[in-house]
Amino acid sequence: RKEVEQDPGPFNVPEGATVAFNCTYSNSASQSFFWYRQDCRKEPKLLMSVYSSGNEDGRFTAQLNRASQYISLLIRDSKLSDSATYLCVVNPFNRRSGGGADGLTFGKGTHLIIQP
Amino acid sequence: DVKVTQSSRYLVKRTGEKVFLECVQDMDHENMFWYRQDPGLGLRLIYFSYDVKMKEKGDIPEGYSVSREKKERFSLILESASTNQTSMYLCASGMGDQETQYFGPGTRLLVL
Repeated sequence: RKEVEQDPGPFNVPEGATVAFNCTYSNSASQSFFWYRQDCRKEPKLLMSVYSSGNEDGRFTAQLNRASQYISLLIRDSKLSDSATYLCVVNPFNRRSGGGADGLTFGKGTHLIIQP
Repeated sequence: DVKVTQSSRYLVKRTGEKVFLECVQDMDHENMFWYRQDPGLGLRLIYFSYDVKMKEKGDIPEGYSVSREKKERFSLILESASTNQTSMYLCASGMGDQETQYFGPGTRLLVL
């Protein structure tokens, strides 16, 4: 059974601190990886894709470890507006490779609260 | 900007009613998806479609059907609503190559 596991939190973090989340996935054939952000009572929105070489977008850094099958998200200099639920998302197949059509698999999310 | 719209933000229906949830995207995306989101269970895929008139079952298709007559529109149908279908329903669309998905605002359905 395909699974994406995340610590649900909540993570209570003071403003300005650095916080990191991990996520593990069980399907070793997974090929695409993402972090989504979901605010309370809103829809999920793409935060960033995760590449094998690691990637950075401002205060956010995402990394992928294929050997250990985990993905991480690091947030530096956290802001009050970073408070949200962060969803780890895995795509088991890539249609360009002619793989199957399973869609995305979402973790249940990690709840982050930035405190003033 | 990608825009995905859903026909209703809030819906209240009675057990046994037939319910239609509509989703429209304006970016010519091939792929469209229906999820439901419940506390403690996360997002679960109900059905998806990679082309007009094409549909594939997701993880929890029981009690649901879908229709994709036009590329921009993907409908979720509850043939006979039940109380355990009370949930937040999220539609998404995406590009064919990278599978990034863009979500609509969601429909909160209450079945009494």
